[in-house]
Amino acid sequence: DQQVKQNSPSLSVQEGRISILNCDYTNSMFDYFLWYKKYPAEGPTFLISISSIKDKNEDGRFTVFLNKSAKHLSLHIVPSQPGDSAVYFCAASVGSFGNEKLTFGTGTRLTIIP
Amino acid sequence: DGGITQSPKYLFRKEGQNVTLSCEQNLNHDAMYWYRQDPGQGLRLIYYSQIVNDFQKGDIAEGYSVSREKKESFPLTVTSAQKNPTAFYLCASSIRKGAHEQFFGPGTRLTVL
Repeated sequence: DQQVKQNSPSLSVQEGRISILNCDYTNSMFDYFLWYKKYPAEGPTFLISISSIKDKNEDGRFTVFLNKSAKHLSLHIVPSQPGDSAVYFCAASVGSFGNEKLTFGTGTRLTIIP
Repeated sequence: DGGITQSPKYLFRKEGQNVTLSCEQNLNHDAMYWYRQDPGQGLRLIYYSQIVNDFQKGDIAEGYSVSREKKESFPLTVTSAQKNPTAFYLCASSIRKGAHEQFFGPGTRLTVL
């Protein structure tokens, strides 16, 4: 049972345009969401996160939007740069009671076309 | 420089042998985690430890064992009971119980021949 889903395995975007990566979840107990970026043969690096009490969080070129009613979050990257080419994972956790296990999606491979 | 180290980066073992993957952190983090990544799949949690001398099974613990004798170290043993051990293994840590953000090491690719 995949509780966090990234339905697009890959996405190609022209350099300078906006990249939008999507993530859906099924567990309504999730209250914290994170995006990680991963290059091949390396560990994921944390990008940005959002608590369920917010619907938007912004950090430079990266913005995460959360729609709790739709159980959907998205990561916007603008403008997209060649160095953004990587696999992006969304992750979710239930953090209220000290159980901060992260549940990961299957990832979306983003390719930025120069 | 603070961080998480995993060694070695590539590891080859014969089928039927146990193998131990190293994970060390100097971030003074309380919690540590082991994940496995397979092609086309997300990261799946094997074991985690919120504090020294305590650890919990994750979603796919069968065929694996861990120890947490020191705060900075969380080695993972892949035993011969693990049916499909070839994978990319990632270790992570978080500052404390209750912290959501996890920091990852560079990973170890294990290939069982």
